Amino acid sequence: DAKTTQPTSMDCAEGRAANLPCNHSTISGNEYVYWYRQIHSQGPQYIIHGLKNNETNEMASLIITEDRKSSTLILPHATLRDTAVYYCIAGRDDKIIFGKGTRLHILP
Amino acid sequence: GAVVSQHPSWVICKSGTSVKIECRSLDFQATTMFWYRQFPKQSLMLMATSNEGSKATYEQGVEKDKFLINHASLTLSTLTVTSAHPEDSSFYICSAHATAPDEQFFGPGTRLTVL
Repeated sequence: DAKTTQPTSMDCAEGRAANLPCNHSTISGNEYVYWYRQIHSQGPQYIIHGLKNNETNEMASLIITEDRKSSTLILPHATLRDTAVYYCIAGRDDKIIFGKGTRLHILP
Repeated sequence: GAVVSQHPSWVICKSGTSVKIECRSLDFQATTMFWYRQFPKQSLMLMATSNEGSKATYEQGVEKDKFLINHASLTLSTLTVTSAHPEDSSFYICSAHATAPDEQFFGPGTRLTVL
């Protein structure tokens, strides 16, 4: 798995869009970008993944740069329940290796 | 989405005893399951990869004789912490790889406290 770099923590006001960046400059051609989140004392929850095209689902949008060296997870309207640690992973889903993640605080 | 369960959700045991944690894929078959460990305020650390019907593959630094993994069926993997000590106290999380959809699904975790 390629190494990823994320900010240690971020704040976002409730109702605003939360934009979480991730650098994965060593990603290889067949590796996907995955995003998971972990709410305190629970198992990780899958959010979204993509290869090179931007992706959107009911939870979030994933924007991947053209060179695939970085990506941004967008939570369009953050709520207090989105407070969690968000993990960006570059790899294959036959083996998910977690980095340190970004602790996202949603402020009321 | 697919559901993965773990049992028990929490366990307290005395030092020196063994503890078994079960991981089940409830509505899909998983040829591969994974076991992670997470200490407070740290990220998940992959311990081992478990393939149905074969021996588990352990990550570097993980003692295979201490953390026994059995993947006897396509829906069940077990992790046994043998001769547990207080430093084994942690949050243990499993995941299961489904082929349709081609995704990994995580269990809710088991919190182990060794006294």
